[in-house]
Amino acid sequence: DIQMTQSPSTLSASIGDKVTIVCRASQSITTYVNWYQQRPGRAPKSLINVASVLQSGVPARFSGSGSGTYFTLTITNLQPEDFATYYCQHSSTIYSLTFGGGTRVELK
Amino acid sequence: QAQLVQSGAEVKKPGASVEVSCKASGYRFSDYGVAWVRQAPGQGLEWMGLITNYKGKTKYAEKFQGRLTMTADTSTATAYMELRSLTSDDTAIYSCARVFYDVLTASYNFDLWGQGTLVTVSS
Repeated sequence: DIQMTQSPSTLSASIGDKVTIVCRASQSITTYVNWYQQRPGRAPKSLINVASVLQSGVPARFSGSGSGTYFTLTITNLQPEDFATYYCQHSSTIYSLTFGGGTRVELK
Repeated sequence: QAQLVQSGAEVKKPGASVEVSCKASGYRFSDYGVAWVRQAPGQGLEWMGLITNYKGKTKYAEKFQGRLTMTADTSTATAYMELRSLTSDDTAIYSCARVFYDVLTASYNFDLWGQGTLVTVSS
């Protein structure tokens, strides 16, 4: 199975900051990565698929990049509603749709 | 609008089984698969498996093989997840998610989620 590893596990930031979350795959998965946001007590929300394509309605301050084994999610101009936990997910095959361990973005 | 509505919270004893349902509305159920994801208290998301819209083919994560069954009833647009031989480690929120397969990119995305069902395993 493909393993997805995120870093850091927790990230402290202020309103207006730019933050970057890293996701590494245990083997090359080209651009088959999704990103999700989960606010406390809420269901996850799809943000980005195939590494860089924003889902409809997702603000442009979110962006994704990467390929192979290294991927990033960047949030520019951090807003109050962005304090949440973010997960990457491998997305190319039903045999291994595994998630990363999550990165919590908290208020500094 | 499209939504997934899950059954209510469950309390089970160790060794028992639990079944969680996930009723879809607002979209054509047969056009999508359904995945199940769980989240233990204070932990991250764990993919359990999915049932596709292609002849109901299922794929389960290896750690659940042998005690997990996913089914879908297209007549009622409802998906089911049954987990057997429960232990305290299975205490978690179980969520269903609609699986969108993008033909252009050949990728899967969980684009709609249920509200989650808390399953507590305790003696």
